[in-house]
Amino acid sequence: NAGVTQTPKFQVLKTGQSMTLQCAQDMNHEYMSWYRQDPGMGLRLIHYSVGAGITDQGEVPNGYNVSRSTTEDFPLRLLSAAPSQTSVYFCASSYSGDPYEQYFGPGTRLTVT
Amino acid sequence: AQRVTQPEKLLSVFKGAPVELKCNYSYSGSPELFWYVQYSRQRLQLLLRHISRESIKGFTADLNKGETSFHLKKPFAQEEDSAMYYCALYTGGFKTIFGAGTRLFVKA
Repeated sequence: NAGVTQTPKFQVLKTGQSMTLQCAQDMNHEYMSWYRQDPGMGLRLIHYSVGAGITDQGEVPNGYNVSRSTTEDFPLRLLSAAPSQTSVYFCASSYSGDPYEQYFGPGTRLTVT
Repeated sequence: AQRVTQPEKLLSVFKGAPVELKCNYSYSGSPELFWYVQYSRQRLQLLLRHISRESIKGFTADLNKGETSFHLKKPFAQEEDSAMYYCALYTGGFKTIFGAGTRLFVKA
């Protein structure tokens, strides 16, 4: 099993550009989440999903969109990139029988200039 | 308000010394608390959860509801313990709140 995979690993965007961060998991987990990691602030929840077709906002959802058309995939879309979105983004998944243990992807380092 | 506080950004100890990473929480319900660890160039992973009361890699953490704390302890630190440690609080609804993290550096 590959676990949770994320692409790309690194990305540089100009202000105003849009892009999609990809996340996929092969563990048949129902729950998936997107976090951003900023120095001194830990991980903050952006959006999450409890199953295909169901998404909800986390702590810092502004500027981001998500969709969950399949159990495996949970892409994160930046609509119009801003320098404040410079961060490391982590995708995570967990099993409904044990929602406490989250499995994390390797992260995507995004820089917006 | 629901909050997880890790007061130390950086903790530096010598190999063989005891280590304690502090975590305090604010939560009105019955807390479900966890410690996650991120070693260099590795993924964030669950280290231990309070409900299992287990010792992982020599680390233990006791939930103290009176002091609203969940400090992570190890009696003798090893160099391979150097990592970023996050305390986390599960708040229900499949949401987890993470603290800001503490970087542990174990010196030889």
